[in-house]
Amino acid sequence: DVKVTQSSRYLVKRTGEKVFLECVQDMDHENMFWYRQDPGLGLRLIYFSYDVKMKEKGDIPEGYSVSREKKERFSLILESASTNQTSMYLCASSSTPDTDYEQYFGPGTRLTVT
Amino acid sequence: GQSLEQPSEVTAVEGAIVQINCTYQTSGFYGLSWYQQHDGGAPTFLSYNALDGLEETGRFSSFLSRSDSYGYLLLQELQMKDSASYFCAVLMRGGGNKLTFGTGTQLKVEL
Repeated sequence: DVKVTQSSRYLVKRTGEKVFLECVQDMDHENMFWYRQDPGLGLRLIYFSYDVKMKEKGDIPEGYSVSREKKERFSLILESASTNQTSMYLCASSSTPDTDYEQYFGPGTRLTVT
Repeated sequence: GQSLEQPSEVTAVEGAIVQINCTYQTSGFYGLSWYQQHDGGAPTFLSYNALDGLEETGRFSSFLSRSDSYGYLLLQELQMKDSASYFCAVLMRGGGNKLTFGTGTQLKVEL
């Protein structure tokens, strides 16, 4: 079974703090993604990576950065957390579309910024 | 940019059939996927349509018409456990196997 794990289920941080969200997948997938999910807005892509050290902006990258130093690990960084970044953050991974269309999601991290 | 529209909420009774529609304004995509998400859970993959037409997987079927920019998920013999949010998503061409999601439909199954 593909497994995607995220470092925390719940996180509370203060405005201005630097926040790291970690994601690890165990299926040797090339692609990894970070989404945020807010009521009524669906899942919105923040950043994705299709290879180690490669990253591309998604639809809402402002205020975020990412790091992928190893194939299995993809980190989302909030350089200076703000209250409008309070959200559910979901990590996902996938193989190539030629072989597998599915994205596999982690359980999510509910981040509250106060 | 891409946009996918879904009804925000659908209610149906146990044992019934329900159709969740997805209309999109995008082009250059590989196919249309559907994901299910229970409250507090992670989205899980249900189906994928690479080509126009109907794909059936047990009680669930999914349909795509590229000429109409339209797809739907059909759930038959509804069960209480089908109460969840359902998202359509287009698999975009280009690097990374990137998905663009719709806003989601919350399905409530009642007795």
